[in-house]
Amino acid sequence: NAGVTQTPKFQVLKTGQSMTLQCAQDMNHEYMSWYRQDPGMGLRLIHYSVGAGITDQGEVPNGYNVSRSTTEDFPLRLLSAAPSQTSVYFCASRHRDNSYEKLFFGSGTQLSVL
Amino acid sequence: SQQGEEDPQALSIQEGENATMNCSYKTSINNLQWYRQNSGRGLVHLILIRSNEREKHSGRLRVTLDTSKKSSSLLITASRAADTASYFCATDAQNNNDMRFGAGTRLTVKP
Repeated sequence: NAGVTQTPKFQVLKTGQSMTLQCAQDMNHEYMSWYRQDPGMGLRLIHYSVGAGITDQGEVPNGYNVSRSTTEDFPLRLLSAAPSQTSVYFCASRHRDNSYEKLFFGSGTQLSVL
Repeated sequence: SQQGEEDPQALSIQEGENATMNCSYKTSINNLQWYRQNSGRGLVHLILIRSNEREKHSGRLRVTLDTSKKSSSLLITASRAADTASYFCATDAQNNNDMRFGAGTRLTVKP
């Protein structure tokens, strides 16, 4: 099993550009989530999904959109990138729609917005 | 706002010593989890302790949970240079499906 796969690993954008960060998992996990990690801030939850067709906002959802059309994929879209979105982004997944399961993380996407 | 807050922010010890990291949180939880992150990598799950448990062990790891004080501690015994990493606690709110992470403790173990 590949686990949680994120692409790309690195990305540089100009302010106002749009892009999609890809996340795929092959563990048949119902729950998937996106976090951003900034120095000194730890991980902050952006959006999460408890199953195909269901998404919800986390702590810092503004500027990001998500969709969950399949169990495997959970893309994160930046519609109009801003320098404040420069960060490292992690996708994570787990079984079930409650928290009694450990999260599996991808290796991250380092995004710079100029 | 973040649910968990780790203390200290950074910890530097010699190989063989024990390392203790603390986590405080704000709301009632179902469980608390600890994760490790090597530099430039994703997080890896270490251990989970449920709200009705007070202590749990896994190899060189010992986790305690005090729900009355809304705090947890992670003890790594007989530390090794390979334990050098950042350690995060993660909690859920009882009525939510999301997991919130603290800012982490950066542990450096000197050989």
